[in-house]
Amino acid sequence: GAGVSQSPSNKVTEKGKDVELRCDPISGHTALYWYRQSLGQGLEFLIYFQGNSAPDKSGLPSDRFSAERTGGSVSTLTIQRTQQEDSAVYLCASSVSAIAKNIQYFGAGTRLSVL
Amino acid sequence: AQKITQTQPGMFVQEKEAVTLDCTYDTSDQSYGLFWYKQPSSGEMIFLIYQGSYDEQNATEGRYSLNFQKARKSANLVISASQLGDSAMYFCAMREANSGNTPLVFGKGTRLSVIA
Repeated sequence: GAGVSQSPSNKVTEKGKDVELRCDPISGHTALYWYRQSLGQGLEFLIYFQGNSAPDKSGLPSDRFSAERTGGSVSTLTIQRTQQEDSAVYLCASSVSAIAKNIQYFGAGTRLSVL
Repeated sequence: AQKITQTQPGMFVQEKEAVTLDCTYDTSDQSYGLFWYKQPSSGEMIFLIYQGSYDEQNATEGRYSLNFQKARKSANLVISASQLGDSAMYFCAMREANSGNTPLVFGKGTRLSVIA
């Protein structure tokens, strides 16, 4: 079956512009996560959705970052007024539910470059 | 707070040899899960193996096994019979079972290079 799909795969933008990154999780997965991976680093949690519950936004680095998940499926991560330090790979993952042993399956990521 | 430490930024291994990638963790929870992911140059994170804190036996998945030493809080990944395609970044991650916030916490990774 289809895995987690992210688009675009690459995005180059100018400082100050807004960008939208899309994630299409595996069908039937109720939990969806956004992570950020800066060059040479591990993954940093950004935001997490579980079903129809309010999202956990505790990892968002500033109020320029926001995300929504429509209809419990596709999610969009929006970065407003991008800065150069926002340059990173943004990874989306989904899992069947949010219990500890459920495996998170990742997409290939969106590489964001802010010039 | 959860923490994952991977002390080996880079490792080399000869093709067909076994290699161990180190991972130590810190948590105050008794119930947690440990994961290893592989990230090739294409960028996708590929799940390899899972170990639950209450699992009595070490997890195995094909050529991957997890050397779980609970008292030492270590969860080392062992790759047997290395192949050239194993060259990638490897990340250890943890999730506390009782945490209401259930994203994974990742280590900084180990870059494995398999030499022919």
